[in-house]
Amino acid sequence: NAGVTQTPKFQVLKTGQSMTLQCAQDMNHEYMSWYRQDPGMGLRLIHYSVGAGITDQGEVPNGYNVSRSTTEDFPLRLLSAAPSQTSVYFCASTRAGHTGELFFGEGSRLTVL
Amino acid sequence: GNSVTQMEGPVTLSEEAFLTINCTYTATGYPSLFWYVQYPGEGLQLLLKATKADDKGSNKGFEATYRKETTSFHLEKGSVQVSDSAVYFCALSARGASGSARQLTFGSGTQLTVLP
Repeated sequence: NAGVTQTPKFQVLKTGQSMTLQCAQDMNHEYMSWYRQDPGMGLRLIHYSVGAGITDQGEVPNGYNVSRSTTEDFPLRLLSAAPSQTSVYFCASTRAGHTGELFFGEGSRLTVL
Repeated sequence: GNSVTQMEGPVTLSEEAFLTINCTYTATGYPSLFWYVQYPGEGLQLLLKATKADDKGSNKGFEATYRKETTSFHLEKGSVQVSDSAVYFCALSARGASGSARQLTFGSGTQLTVLP
């Protein structure tokens, strides 16, 4: 059972570089989301999608782009990395209408120098 | 807007001690409430939930009761084990102020360490 798979697990970038964090789920979940986890701040929602072709902004969307071309995949793009984007990123998914009961990936730790 | 406040950690207990982690919330409408657990190096996992007032969620010996009058959802366990060492997050699911779709709002997390 793969569940939610995130890659890469670790990444170091220089300021201004761009990159994509990959997220894939094999549970046929309609809803997918990206969170960032920072010390003392819990998890904050970046972007989410309720189905293929539909995306929307969360609490902290600036500096990030997403797309949802298939049900399975929900990549997160950093357009021009900044030190403030150093964080641990989590992808999560669930069935439509059950947005409180999320299945999380193992996380991607990003450091921006 | 919606928010969750958790007791600050870290919390350190001896094995078999009683655990309480306080959680209070502010939300529009009628939220559902959740506790998630994050073990070292892993993603979050749903521990328990409650969807309406006076509901009690329970799992793995943990319990929490949805108290609308005090806007609280405190996590309790009667006898903790070393394997319970983890970070615990309280969360709520509710619509945003503008009536947007229900999203999960997390507290800041409480680190629990259980010593043998």
